[in-house]
Amino acid sequence: GAVVSQHPSWVICKSGTSVKIECRSLDFQATTMFWYRQFPKQSLMLMATSNEGSKATYEQGVEKDKFLINHASLTLSTLTVTSAHPEDSSFYICSARTENTPPQHFGDGTRLSIL
Amino acid sequence: AQKITQTQPGMFVQEKEAVTLDCTYDTSDPSYGLFWYKQPSSGEMIFLIYQGSYDQQNATEGRYSLNFQKARKSANLVISASQLGDSAMYFCAMRKGNRDDKIIFGKGTRLHILP
Repeated sequence: GAVVSQHPSWVICKSGTSVKIECRSLDFQATTMFWYRQFPKQSLMLMATSNEGSKATYEQGVEKDKFLINHASLTLSTLTVTSAHPEDSSFYICSARTENTPPQHFGDGTRLSIL
Repeated sequence: AQKITQTQPGMFVQEKEAVTLDCTYDTSDPSYGLFWYKQPSSGEMIFLIYQGSYDQQNATEGRYSLNFQKARKSANLVISASQLGDSAMYFCAMRKGNRDDKIIFGKGTRLHILP
């Protein structure tokens, strides 16, 4: 079945550093990937839609200069949290969709902790 | 605007009993898709079941079935013969007709299966 790999699964870093999270579709090509953020005990909130070869589409209220998204190939999208601060600490999870089936397939998520 | 409502923040169910998780939705689009995902404490999002708005029959996947009542705009998840491993957070989600469109999630229901 469709598999999405997300790396790293856990990041702890100091305030002010930038953190890159990778999302890969392992056995299919994904023209569109999605990035979500989830705070503890809350639902997933869509941050942006990542389109291969073009600029990402950000949801209202999401700072595009803060959360840089690159979709360089049909199997890889990256989210970079720039100059991270403690309030950026959260669970970030990506998803991708195959051509032929409706559901989005999710990566295992990245727990980001900014000290 | 699209909206997903899950009115049960938490449920406790005895093992081996059936359980129904409620989900209602609101959309003006004639074509849409409905999903259920399971999120264990480890964080990954596990796809359970999908129902298209034009599907004539209710979707079933093993112990999972989706009680789709289009006129009432409800898409309840039914889990038969619940197991301890079913304890998790469950999210109902909806996507507009276009397969590349984003999906939105409800707030989730935390299900506890009691031994």
